[in-house]
Amino acid sequence: QKEVEQNSGPLSVPEGAIASLNCTYSDRGSQSFFWYRQYSGKSPELIMSIYSNGDKEDGRFTAQLNKASQYVSLLIRDSQPSDSATYLCALTRSGSARQLTFGSGTQLTVLP
Amino acid sequence: NAGVTQTPKFQVLKTGQSMTLQCAQDMNHNSMYWYRQDPGMGLRLIYYSASEGTTDKGEVPNGYNVSRLNKREFSLRLESAAPSQTSVYFCASSERGAPPDTQYFGPGTRLTVL
Repeated sequence: QKEVEQNSGPLSVPEGAIASLNCTYSDRGSQSFFWYRQYSGKSPELIMSIYSNGDKEDGRFTAQLNKASQYVSLLIRDSQPSDSATYLCALTRSGSARQLTFGSGTQLTVLP
Repeated sequence: NAGVTQTPKFQVLKTGQSMTLQCAQDMNHNSMYWYRQDPGMGLRLIYYSASEGTTDKGEVPNGYNVSRLNKREFSLRLESAAPSQTSVYFCASSERGAPPDTQYFGPGTRLTVL
């Protein structure tokens, strides 16, 4: 099992809809979780971080963490064409607090 | 304030050639990182430097060496390039090197090894 698994997509949603991106992980000791957005040909940029179970909201973005189920998700409300990008899930594994482990990313396309 | 800068942006090497990728940050960050990104693989950590004067191996260090020249600069060297090292290389930096740090990424170097 991969350490961090994401559906590679592509995921397509219409403009204004909710986009749901999912990530599962194998290390139960993982403590910190991050969502990065990467536009084609560009570098990743952090959009959300979450450390405790539950929901964390920031504008149109909501991160959800369930450590018991080893699951983290990102919801994008009122999706815009400018949200079209690859979304990378990342986490710190137990014993490696300084190292990020990334999933392979989910490509999202928001259709006008 | 340029953030994280990387040179060169593009590079083509022949198998066996050597080169150094340069990275600099102007945010006074303590920690710096080198990643590679391959299609379908996500980003994988090659080496990192938690603070000036220290370096540690990441997930895929074989074939690479690093130097933390000073607090600003962190270079990645390929001594004898191989086609398997064809990839996009990203440098990143963070303030303290531990969560809840944010890692800031440079624009990347696209390397092709023939």
